[in-house]
Amino acid sequence: GAGVSQSPSNKVTEKGKDVELRCDPISGHTALYWYRQSLGQGLEFLIYFQGNSAPDKSGLPSDRFSAERTGGSVSTLTIQRTQQEDSAVYLCASSLGDRGRNTIYFGEGSWLTVV
Amino acid sequence: SQQGEEDPQALSIQEGENATMNCSYKTSINNLQWYRQNSGRGLVHLILIRSNEREKHSGRLRVTLDTSKKSSSLLITASRAADTASYFCAPTNTGRRALTFGSGTRLQVQP
Repeated sequence: GAGVSQSPSNKVTEKGKDVELRCDPISGHTALYWYRQSLGQGLEFLIYFQGNSAPDKSGLPSDRFSAERTGGSVSTLTIQRTQQEDSAVYLCASSLGDRGRNTIYFGEGSWLTVV
Repeated sequence: SQQGEEDPQALSIQEGENATMNCSYKTSINNLQWYRQNSGRGLVHLILIRSNEREKHSGRLRVTLDTSKKSSSLLITASRAADTASYFCAPTNTGRRALTFGSGTRLQVQP
């Protein structure tokens, strides 16, 4: 597609349930990023994929969070046993190559509400 | 940390005025990018300035970079109500793989 696509755009889930958030990056982009943003806060880095390299998972807040990227394209962020503090917008982004040499393009985010 | 810190945290101006936002960082950089975010949506890239550049323009945007002071500024001239958004800087260097962002400057332009 023309841009980074995320689904679902909104998700309400009960505490304790698992959720999966999907990201379709721009075709040809080798770098993919996940960020989290709580209401009124800045962006919190979660995880970064670059080509076939091992992902940088240093931002994942707990072992309830995991992400994978299949075939170097689509990525899924999974949150297990969701907690209310997981409520946030989860932003996916992609770029050509890594780091800041290239512009990062963001999706519109997946709004997660844990009740 | 390579994360940039924006200042001020919030800025309110009248339409037509200029808005200046600042970014400070701690490590050496290859370049620095500015992004804009409307109301919790995805960030949109505004401008990238390389470490060997001191000033760059794009439309009503003017970005300066002072690597000796490890700071950058974003100036929006003749602001419009549609400029109301949060603005983030992202300094980058070869030692860090992913862009990280500070808390941003929330700009409110009053019509």
